[in-house]
Amino acid sequence: QVLLQESGPGLVKPSETLSLTCTVSGDSLNTSPYFWGWFRQPPGKGLEWIGSIYYSGSTDYSPSLKSRVTISLETSRNQFSLKLSSLTAADTAVYFCSRQGYSYGVDYWGQGTLVSVSS
Amino acid sequence: EIVMTQSPGTLSVSPGERVTLSCRASQSVSRNLAWYRQRPGQAPKLLIYAASTRAPGIPARFSGSGSGTEFTLTISSLQSEDFEVYYCQQYNKWPRVTFGQGTRLENK
Repeated sequence: QVLLQESGPGLVKPSETLSLTCTVSGDSLNTSPYFWGWFRQPPGKGLEWIGSIYYSGSTDYSPSLKSRVTISLETSRNQFSLKLSSLTAADTAVYFCSRQGYSYGVDYWGQGTLVSVSS
Repeated sequence: EIVMTQSPGTLSVSPGERVTLSCRASQSVSRNLAWYRQRPGQAPKLLIYAASTRAPGIPARFSGSGSGTEFTLTISSLQSEDFEVYYCQQYNKWPRVTFGQGTRLENK
């Protein structure tokens, strides 16, 4: 059983940088041939892909967020992280980390963490 | 970006009914299409992948079909726990994925 758990602040100020970490258990980030991704969902709205990192370390980001996003691996801790800069109220959302398989979409999700952007 | 459009936005149905949800892609995604269900306050759960393959543990009342740009999710006999929001997702250019806006099933 693969488990993912997001951690990070629940409240961030406008213009600051959000940092979230996803801790994975039941799988190894640096050997399994998956993308490890971040998604978000504003309150009452749909799902948006933010970006993903492959076990090799290569990354891919949403074009609409690319200038503000960095995703990195911390294989020694079996974690991967999201940094999103220049925050505005529009970035308020539940943020999910996930495992993405090549031929089947997303099979494992974290429970999600609500991040509010407010002064 | 591939745009996914789901219809209808909300569907009022009764337990025991057969339900069909639609999803359309702005360009062909072959069969690289997944369906998810989501309960309030929870993460999405994978139901169907590769357009028609049920994920492990998903009941047989869920079935998917389609290819290219037109897809459907059918629930053969709606159970009380099925009144949730359903999303389609294309993953044709993995890991770049896009979701439909969702279809909400509400109890009539």
